[in-house]
Amino acid sequence: GAGVSQSPSNKVTEKGKDVELRCDPISGHTALYWYRQSLGQGLEFLIYFQGNSAPDKSGLPSDRFSAERTGGSVSTLTIQRTQQEDSAVYLCASSLGVAGRDTQYFGPGTRLTVL
Amino acid sequence: GEDVEQSLFLSVREGDSSVINCTYTDSSSTYLYWYKQEPGAGLQLLTYIFSNMDMKQDQRLTVLLNKKDKHLSLRIADTQTGDSAIYFCAERGQAGTALIFGKGTTLSVSS
Repeated sequence: GAGVSQSPSNKVTEKGKDVELRCDPISGHTALYWYRQSLGQGLEFLIYFQGNSAPDKSGLPSDRFSAERTGGSVSTLTIQRTQQEDSAVYLCASSLGVAGRDTQYFGPGTRLTVL
Repeated sequence: GEDVEQSLFLSVREGDSSVINCTYTDSSSTYLYWYKQEPGAGLQLLTYIFSNMDMKQDQRLTVLLNKKDKHLSLRIADTQTGDSAIYFCAERGQAGTALIFGKGTTLSVSS
């Protein structure tokens, strides 16, 4: 079946602009995660959604970052007033969210470049 | 806090075995994972092991877990040039928690 998809694959923006990154999880997966991969920092957790529960936002680096998940499926990560340090690859993952079967599958990522 | 450490580079010749090592600090880890990332691509799940197992074999891949020493390794038998990539070790605790990743080991395979 289809894997996790993300769009756009690449995004170049100017400092100070807002950007929206989209993630379509695997059908039937109730858990959705956003991670950021940047040079020198490795992979960092940003936010986690599970069903209708309140999201775990503990990894968001600042209040310029927010995310939504509509209808328990598609998620959008929004970065307001982008800064150059926001340049990174943003990866989305989804899983069944069930103990014992909670392997996370990743999308191809969105490469964000802030000029 | 939780931490996952990996060596940054490994270089092998085609046909040799590769062993990528990883250490972690969280004793409550329940699952440990190996992901592969090729240039410009996302993370591909290679294999995982549950914390009550010592070893898992899957075709050319062998995962060894020493829970006492919190040490995980990935052995790739008969390494091919197509195995050249970055390999990430990751751990997590209970279901629904984020993965904690190492910084990745770049495997270079020469012919």
